Amino acid sequence: GAGVSQSPSNKVTEKGKDVELRCDPISGHTALYWYRQRLGQGLEFLIYFQGNSAPDKSGLPSDRFSAERTGESVSTLTIQRTQQEDSAVYLCASSLVPLNTEAFFGQGTRLTVV
Amino acid sequence: GENVEQHPSTLSVQEGDSAVIKCTYSDSASNYFPWYKQELGKRPQLIIDIRSNVGEKKDQRIAVTLNKTAKHFSLHITETQPEDSAVYFCAAENSGYALNFGKGTSLLVTP
Repeated sequence: GAGVSQSPSNKVTEKGKDVELRCDPISGHTALYWYRQRLGQGLEFLIYFQGNSAPDKSGLPSDRFSAERTGESVSTLTIQRTQQEDSAVYLCASSLVPLNTEAFFGQGTRLTVV
Repeated sequence: GENVEQHPSTLSVQEGDSAVIKCTYSDSASNYFPWYKQELGKRPQLIIDIRSNVGEKKDQRIAVTLNKTAKHFSLHITETQPEDSAVYFCAAENSGYALNFGKGTSLLVTP
């Protein structure tokens, strides 16, 4: 597949459980972004990776949120001790280096915390 | 970090009319300004972008203007059609940092 792939597409979890969301960027894209989109809301920036380093973690809403990236490929976003307010669509995007090029989005993971 | 403000939050126009969405940004070092369209239940997709070395760019019915001095940029859609109905997001990027989005404009084009 040529696009950004995210898994799972849907996740229902109980409050207090940990979840792990996965993003496979487009091959060769060194920039990777995670965003959160609550229902009917905008794109809330979470974290940005350049390669496997994260120069901008300013958007992570709490210490329950963390993200990793292996090399210049797969990234995982982990949410510990999930809360109901974590319910949202989590979108991943990737783009080429140099930056200032189109960011391609995955289809998102819809997380529901019950 | 970059702060991107977008107005209006909702916009309703009649088919054939023009629609204008405006954004402002805070970081004068920002040099890339894309616009994304998100249809209901789908992922955002790039429709047009502009870099800081130009003031205007046009692609068929869509145009974007950039005023670096005032730190604002706008999306113009002419001859709107019902299929233009969607949420539109502007964004600004300072090379080496994250792509920050405005809160979106929900555009409704009525026949």
